[in-house]
Amino acid sequence: AQSVSQHNHHVILSEAASLELGCNYSYGGTVNLFWYVQYPGQHLQLLLKYFSGDPLVKGIKGFEAEFIKSKFSFNLRKPSVQWSDTAEYFCAVIIGGDTGRRALTFGSGTRLQVQP
Amino acid sequence: GAVVSQHPSRVICKSGTSVKIECRSLDFQATTMFWYRQFPKQSLMLMATSNEGSKATYEQGVEKDKFLINHASLTLSTLTVTSAHPEDSSFYICSARLQGARNTEAFFGQGTRLTVV
Repeated sequence: AQSVSQHNHHVILSEAASLELGCNYSYGGTVNLFWYVQYPGQHLQLLLKYFSGDPLVKGIKGFEAEFIKSKFSFNLRKPSVQWSDTAEYFCAVIIGGDTGRRALTFGSGTRLQVQP
Repeated sequence: GAVVSQHPSRVICKSGTSVKIECRSLDFQATTMFWYRQFPKQSLMLMATSNEGSKATYEQGVEKDKFLINHASLTLSTLTVTSAHPEDSSFYICSARLQGARNTEAFFGQGTRLTVV
């Protein structure tokens, strides 16, 4: 079955450190890719998305992700994290051509803790 | 951005009773809504896809008679957990995508934490 893997379950960083969270998916066809963030007590919010075009995607709050098709990866990066980035991060995929009616498949999530 | 509102945010019920959770798209129409379940420290697992005006599509292993889904309008879907038991305690999240739009993200409600005692 298709799946999404996030290998980092819990990451602890100091402020100003660089961040990279891994995301891999297991599907050989067309995919649409997303990163969502869930701050404590809040709903899921979109950080960035990739549908086509430039594989390097810029998102909100200084986040970016790179789609590497040959590696089935869509890793999330930020050059300098802040304490306010403490949250749960989810990678998600729509598998197959998007009709607007497909659900997202989520990875297990990565809890990021940024220490001041 | 589009807003999805979910109600209630928390509910405690007695074992054997039923609980209804509402999911509304506030400023857009959603032909399709999705219901997820999230266990502590785990990912969101898709339970079912709710289609306006037709029957919901349930994922394998999800009991359709236990988790009743109604999508009566383009802005409202409801999930009813029938005869709830403690193992049904979980975090339930609804999601919606813009009607008829491809290549768009999903918008999420704030979730409902259900505790069955």
